[in-house]
Amino acid sequence: DAKTTQPPSMDCAEGRAANLPCNHSTISGNEYVYWYRQIHSQGPQYIIHGLKNNETNEMASLIITEDRKSSTLILPHATLRDTAVYYCIVRVFLVQGGKLIFGQGTELSVKP
Amino acid sequence: KAGVTQTPRYLIKTRGQQVTLSCSPISGHRSVSWYQQTPGQGLQFLFEYFSETQRNKGNFPGRFSGRQFSNSRSEMNVSTLELGDSALYLCASSLDVTGQPQHFGDGTRLSIL
Repeated sequence: DAKTTQPPSMDCAEGRAANLPCNHSTISGNEYVYWYRQIHSQGPQYIIHGLKNNETNEMASLIITEDRKSSTLILPHATLRDTAVYYCIVRVFLVQGGKLIFGQGTELSVKP
Repeated sequence: KAGVTQTPRYLIKTRGQQVTLSCSPISGHRSVSWYQQTPGQGLQFLFEYFSETQRNKGNFPGRFSGRQFSNSRSEMNVSTLELGDSALYLCASSLDVTGQPQHFGDGTRLSIL
């Protein structure tokens, strides 16, 4: 079973920041938080991942709370092309290998 | 650099037949994983291969099998197809099995009549 909880849907105005929350209250110390998104009819796209420190790349920022029980993915300036289903996943390095356990994700709609 | 390539993109089969799907990973990637995506069950892990060996396996019947070749390309096979096998089958590759991010192809859409 997925170890994360996400709201089923969210709306965001184009040009504004999109903040997608994720709850992972049972996360273990060696589990990383990964974010992927899936645009209709395409495969999931890797966005970002982190362990306990906040992370930023060219696509997004990941903010992880100090107790690591929740995180937020931030798309700083959402565009219409960011409309997609966003998945938050916790994953253990080494032990689980390549296994990703997807939940239902958050369907983000970016509106003009 | 070319992404993960899956062939064919679309496939129609009938019940009882078997099917083979192909995945070419990103150049240099040695780990390949397979997932099934359906509207009801979402994305579910099938199996993972690394260095031609199956490393992880999901909770699917033995009709689902796979293999990996020395060039890291992978195939998955489904025998005795059932209507419920209609799904999008996704392949993902990563550098190794130490937790590097997986990169997905756009999948093969399998329809069972």
